[in-house]
Amino acid sequence: DQQVKQNSPSLSVQEGRISILNCDYTNSMFDYFLWYKKYPAEGPTFLISISSIKDKNEDGRFTVFLNKSAKHLSLHIVPSQPGDSAVYFCAASLSFSGNTGKLIFGQGTTLQVKP
Amino acid sequence: DSGVTQTPKHLITATGQRVTLRCSPRSGDLSVYWYQQSLDQGLQFLIQYYNGEERAKGNILERFSAQQFPDLHSELNLSSLELGDSALYFCASSVDKGGELFFGEGSRLTVL
Repeated sequence: DQQVKQNSPSLSVQEGRISILNCDYTNSMFDYFLWYKKYPAEGPTFLISISSIKDKNEDGRFTVFLNKSAKHLSLHIVPSQPGDSAVYFCAASLSFSGNTGKLIFGQGTTLQVKP
Repeated sequence: DSGVTQTPKHLITATGQRVTLRCSPRSGDLSVYWYQQSLDQGLQFLIQYYNGEERAKGNILERFSAQQFPDLHSELNLSSLELGDSALYFCASSVDKGGELFFGEGSRLTVL
């Protein structure tokens, strides 16, 4: 039972354009959502997060949108840069309602930004 | 550099053997998490320890065990290894039970 799903295994965009990565979840109890970026031979690094009481969080070129009714979140990168090419993981947790900070990850989306 | 240290970085062993993966969390972090990433798979949660005690358990096989020591470092023990155990094993840490997790660079295990 995959509680967090990233249905697009890969995405290719042109430098300077917008990248939109999508993520769906099934557990309505999730209260905290995060995006991680992963380069080859490195561990995942935190990118941006959003709590369930918000519907948008912005940090520089990165914006995360949360639609609780649809159980859907998305990551927008504007403008996209070649250095953004990596695998992006969506993750969810029960940080505030549960007694654990464990993250449930999606399968990842490989983003390629072409110069 | 996340501040989370994992050793060894690479490990090659044979089926039936036992290995131990080691993780040192960031200074001040009390929680340690172990994740497994098999080929083309997402990160699967294995187990979490908080200040020496098990806090959450995922789909961890009975052949696998973990512990967190008083100095807060953690070890993941994998025994009776099978070919399917070949994967990247990540350790992560956090201050407490929620928020951002900081990941190490992983230990790549190859079982031949």
